[in-house]
Amino acid sequence: EVQLVESGGGLVQPGGSLRLSCVTSGFTFSNYWMTWVRQAPGKGLQWVANIKRDGSEEYYVDSVKGRFTISRDNAKNSLYLQMDSLRAEDTAVYYCARDADARCDYWGQGTLVTVSS
Amino acid sequence: DIVMTQSPDSLAVSLGERATIKCKSSQSVLSSSNNKNYLTWFQLKPGQPPKLLIYWASTRESGVPDRFSGSGSGTDFTLTISSLQAEDVAVYFCQQYFSPPNTFGQGTNLEIK
Repeated sequence: EVQLVESGGGLVQPGGSLRLSCVTSGFTFSNYWMTWVRQAPGKGLQWVANIKRDGSEEYYVDSVKGRFTISRDNAKNSLYLQMDSLRAEDTAVYYCARDADARCDYWGQGTLVTVSS
Repeated sequence: DIVMTQSPDSLAVSLGERATIKCKSSQSVLSSSNNKNYLTWFQLKPGQPPKLLIYWASTRESGVPDRFSGSGSGTDFTLTISSLQAEDVAVYFCQQYFSPPNTFGQGTNLEIK
């Protein structure tokens, strides 16, 4: 059974940092691109970033470029999102998703990040 | 960035009736190399992660009821629910996978009339 479990969310002050993790199981992690998507309270879905199977390519939405870093550890079947210089508008539920040939077919349950003083 | 625009923003349909949601991209998401449209549809319910319904614009994900169908090509796409069921109440999103950032539409809130 494919499983993705996010962790690392919480309350952080503006300007602070958080590192999200997504531990996966049930599939060969190194064979897939992986993606982070977020949903702000009462808002729609926003694609945040994705990373190639071997970590050699990364892409970001403009609003997080230079502040967020996506990474992965294929030996640990894990995906990460390092979030620095956090802003109130980064408050959201963050989902990790498996990227299977141009579609996100499996998703985690999400982890809530709240940026507030 | 490719902008995805859905219409309508909100839709109320009677049980058993057809629901139609449109999605328009600011540039074509049809690949000339494989003739595939890089367009997906998701269903989002409160407290749940998004659920993949349709990919390649018209391929139904395994396990998705056949009342859900996708159509369109290039820049104009449609998600159709042929006979609305109570469990279909949700917000529906289109997403392009043609080029990063893989942008979503703003969502369409589907309710029962």
